[in-house]
Amino acid sequence: GAVVSQHPSWVICKSGTSVKIECRSLDFQATTMFWYRQFPKQSLMLMATSNEGSKATYEQGVEKDKFLINHASLTLSTLTVTSAHPEDSSFYICSATDRGEQYFGPGTRLTVT
Amino acid sequence: QKEVEQNSGPLSVPEGAIASLNCTYSDRGSQSFFWYRQYSGKSPELIMFIYSNGDKEDGRFTAQLNKASQYVSLLIRDSQPSDSATYLCAVLDSSASKIIFGSGTRLSIRP
Repeated sequence: GAVVSQHPSWVICKSGTSVKIECRSLDFQATTMFWYRQFPKQSLMLMATSNEGSKATYEQGVEKDKFLINHASLTLSTLTVTSAHPEDSSFYICSATDRGEQYFGPGTRLTVT
Repeated sequence: QKEVEQNSGPLSVPEGAIASLNCTYSDRGSQSFFWYRQYSGKSPELIMFIYSNGDKEDGRFTAQLNKASQYVSLLIRDSQPSDSATYLCAVLDSSASKIIFGSGTRLSIRP
């Protein structure tokens, strides 16, 4: 199947700083990528749909000014958590669709201290 | 609001038995259905997809789809301890071009 990578796999940052997470489709081009957040023992929550060359579509309740998404190429989308706070600590997962099937990256565990 | 419902479990099954996971969905127009497996601390992994009514088999896994009843299930034969994980049912919302996930069923295979 298709391969999606994420970097970094884990990050610890101080409250008030910004963190950038990269999502790459390694062996296919993805015009659309998705960003999810998952808190412990909870299901995936879709945050936004990232569209190459255009603005992301955010789900209700997700602050677009706090979670900046850039999809500059067909293989790369980035999520920047701005002014992070401890409540933003979570598991962030991206995914991309290849021929109708959605493949997930390995996830990035963010801890804000 | 389009929804995907799953029993959260945990579902406990003895090793070697058949594990049966169930899912219902609200959008009658849905056409594509997926089962993902997620180990603790890891991201979801696609294990099966099904588009047509009936059964689809892949190794020890069988996906079953009944569009009339808006029901999709996953059977795992000869369950192994390594099958212990959370299984996510997902349905493609084609109108919104995104996949809607159920909350997942936690499966535990006891030796």
